[in-house]
Amino acid sequence: DAMVIQNPRYQVTQFGKPVTLSCSQTLNHNVMYWYQQKSSQAPKLLFHYYDKDFNNEADTPDNFQSRRPNTSFCFLDIRSPGLGDAAMYLCATSRAGGNEQYFGPGTRLTVT
Amino acid sequence: AQSVTQPDIHITVSEGASLELRCNYSYGATPYLFWYVQSPGQGLQLLLKYFSGDTLVQGIKGFEAEFKRSQSSFNLRKPSVHWSDAAEYFCAVGNQAGTALIFGKGTTLSVSS
Repeated sequence: DAMVIQNPRYQVTQFGKPVTLSCSQTLNHNVMYWYQQKSSQAPKLLFHYYDKDFNNEADTPDNFQSRRPNTSFCFLDIRSPGLGDAAMYLCATSRAGGNEQYFGPGTRLTVT
Repeated sequence: AQSVTQPDIHITVSEGASLELRCNYSYGATPYLFWYVQSPGQGLQLLLKYFSGDTLVQGIKGFEAEFKRSQSSFNLRKPSVHWSDAAEYFCAVGNQAGTALIFGKGTTLSVSS
């Protein structure tokens, strides 16, 4: 089945220690998104890639970076995680010009 | 400003009873509307969507939603709730360009036996 895969499902990192979260998709969608969802809150878009074009949301901290080496993969890098970055990170994809987004299961990040 | 409001933070429904979750939106252009469901510790699953046409849309798991432009609403309904429907429900609005979804804060549904 075509899907959006996120690894790992659970990640523990230390305060200030860089961490990378991974997302892959078999849907061959042009657009990939990263959302941050804190406890009991709505998902908040951090950035998205339209093919190789990177689009950052205005209020996304510089601490968050992303890479998309090819159509299938997208990475979220947190350069110096703080306690406030503990959250569920959701990856989603959509077709170019499409509106329906398909979400992965998420990565739960804990910062100690 | 674009926004989505889900007035009910938490709703409890008896198993077998009907359900309606409310969603109101504020959007300058033609809205593309979605309902997603999220089980604990899981990602979001699309229940249904509205782009145009018939204002009553059917989704998966027996859910339906009705778009009412005059009320800026897109309420989710189910005639008979099952215990497995207990989850967090998010209403979202998007645009024609297919970029960011704006989510409501979610409604937690509990199902009592």
